[in-house]
Formats: sequence, C-alpha cells, structure tokens
Amino acid sequence: EPEVTQTPSHQVTQMGQEVILRCVPISNHLYFYWYRQILGQKVEFLVSFYNNEISEKSEIFDDQFSVERPDGSNFTLKIRSTKLEDSAMYFCASSGKETYEQYFGPGTRLTVT
Amino acid sequence: EDQVTQSPEALRLQEGESSSLNCSYTVSGLRGLFWYRQDPGKGPEFLFTLYSAGEEKEKERLKATLTKKESFLHITAPKPEDSATYLCAVQPYLSNDYKLSFGAGTTVTVRA
Repeated sequence: EPEVTQTPSHQVTQMGQEVILRCVPISNHLYFYWYRQILGQKVEFLVSFYNNEISEKSEIFDDQFSVERPDGSNFTLKIRSTKLEDSAMYFCASSGKETYEQYFGPGTRLTVT
Repeated sequence: EDQVTQSPEALRLQEGESSSLNCSYTVSGLRGLFWYRQDPGKGPEFLFTLYSAGEEKEKERLKATLTKKESFLHITAPKPEDSATYLCAVQPYLSNDYKLSFGAGTTVTVRA
C-alpha cells in the first residue's frame, strides 16, 4: 500500500542552524502539506502546496520557513534559523485530486537545543 | 475561525465496553469532517471522511456519524489494540484551501 515517507525520523540541531526536513508523498498525489505538533498539543497546519506553489499558509509559517518540490518525488520543509520553540513533530501529508483525504507520514521529531 | 472541540479528553474502557467520542465543530461551510487515529510518536492514520449530515461510515469496531454541528465516533466492543488517540479534523469549503483544522483528540485506553 502506498505511503508517505519522511526523513530523518529524528533531527537534533542547535538554535540558529538551518534544517531541511524531507518527505516523499504518495506518487500520484498532487496536493502536499506540512503540519506540526508540539508535544501535548494539537496538530497545526503550516502550509499547503499545489502546482509548484504555496496555496495556503498559516501565521506560523513566517519568513523563516520555506517549502520546495525539487524534483518529481521529494517535498521539503526548510527552517532557516531554528528557534527553541520550533521543537516539535513535523508531519508531511499528501492528497490526490479526486479525494480530499490527507495521508500523513510518520513524522520527523525536531529537537532544537 | 474554524473550531473543533473533542470530548472527553481521555477515556478508559474495559475490553468489550462500548462507548462514543464526540467532536463538535464550528466552520464556515464544511467540505468534510475527518477522523484519524494517532499512536504515540506516530503520524495520524486516516480512518473516515464524512461529507454531509446523516452520513455514517464503519470500519471494524468503529462507526462515525455526522450531524450539522457534531460528529460521533462509536467504538463497539473495543479491544486493547484500539487504544490510541482519536483525532477529529474539519476542512472548510474554500476553493483553493484544503487545510485541516484538528481538535485536541480523545485518548482511549482499553484494558484487557
């Protein structure tokens, strides 16, 4: 069964460093998303991406964040200068054209020290 | 702003003891209501989508229902492997926006 994959599973970085989180969405899906979940809190929407451009972003998704689909399979989230409060689980999700169901990856746990 | 409230926060059940989880929502036009299961440290696992009031969907011991203001997830004769956090999310009916707004979840523990 097709699934969304994410790498790495755990990333530890120092405050101020840049990190890139990687995702491989389900192959025939057209819509891509990033969400995050701070420990003990709700899953929060960050950004959605369609047709090689951002279609929606939340207030959390400020200038420190960017997304890219560098090739036909990968979808990345970059945080330019990490802060302590960026520590969270980051989930990638994808959905197809004919359905609105979003399928989530296993997540990347980002720890900023 | 879309709001999703789930109750109770936590539910402890004996194996075989059926129960229901509630998700109440406020959204300016509902495209869909989604139920996910989340195990500790894992990503949300898709369970159901409901699109209109009166709709019901079933999967094994789970049944989801939808009204104009809330959704219920019924767990019939649960087993220990049904222990997880169940998340409800809404998707507003906006043309280019498919984002999900999640509730805080209900953590279900089923004891053998």
